[in-house]
Amino acid sequence: KAGVTQTPRYLIKTRGQQVTLSCSPISGHRSVSWYQQTPGQGLQFLFEYFSETQRNKGNFPGRFSGRQFSNSRSEMNVSTLELGDSALYLCASRTDLNSPLHFGNGTRLTVT
Amino acid sequence: AQKITQTQPGMFVQEKEAVTLDCTYDTSDQSYGLFWYKQPSSGEMIFLIYQGSYDEQNATEGRYSLNFQKARKSANLVISASQLGDSAMYFCAMRDRGDSGKLIFGQGTTLQVKP
Repeated sequence: KAGVTQTPRYLIKTRGQQVTLSCSPISGHRSVSWYQQTPGQGLQFLFEYFSETQRNKGNFPGRFSGRQFSNSRSEMNVSTLELGDSALYLCASRTDLNSPLHFGNGTRLTVT
Repeated sequence: AQKITQTQPGMFVQEKEAVTLDCTYDTSDQSYGLFWYKQPSSGEMIFLIYQGSYDEQNATEGRYSLNFQKARKSANLVISASQLGDSAMYFCAMRDRGDSGKLIFGQGTTLQVKP
């Protein structure tokens, strides 16, 4: 079974631009969560989607948004990029709401 | 609020020896779940082991075992017979609430295995 797939692996953007990251969960997994990882703040939860509905949201500004499609694939969008948005963005999926999260390789975003 | 504390920023271990990575947690919930993940330099977070608060036995998965001491609120990861490929960052995490997909992570411990 294929793991969680995140695209692209690397991104370089300029301040003020917007970016969309993609995540394909493990086949059969209906829940997708997003995390931001930085050296200073560590791993921080962004949001979780289950069956196309947002279940939880972390403490991030409205510039961070996401959605989930009917095939469980998810996208995360960041608008008006700031330098501080430079981070590794990790997507995770799980079979059901009581299962452990399985993470992808992440998308490394650099904002210049 | 849930909190995870990992007090060892970095650890060294000799190949083939066992090593314990510390994790303490804080929660007011009676039912909770604890996880350990491994993150190699490639960035992927690899799920290692899970312990539920009501599990009577300590969890084990191959060379990984979780030393769960509920009264002390600790959930230490023990890696037996360390291998060079075990060199990575290790994170202890706790589910935020109930069946939430939100995990609270510790700051991590970098493990280096010496040949």
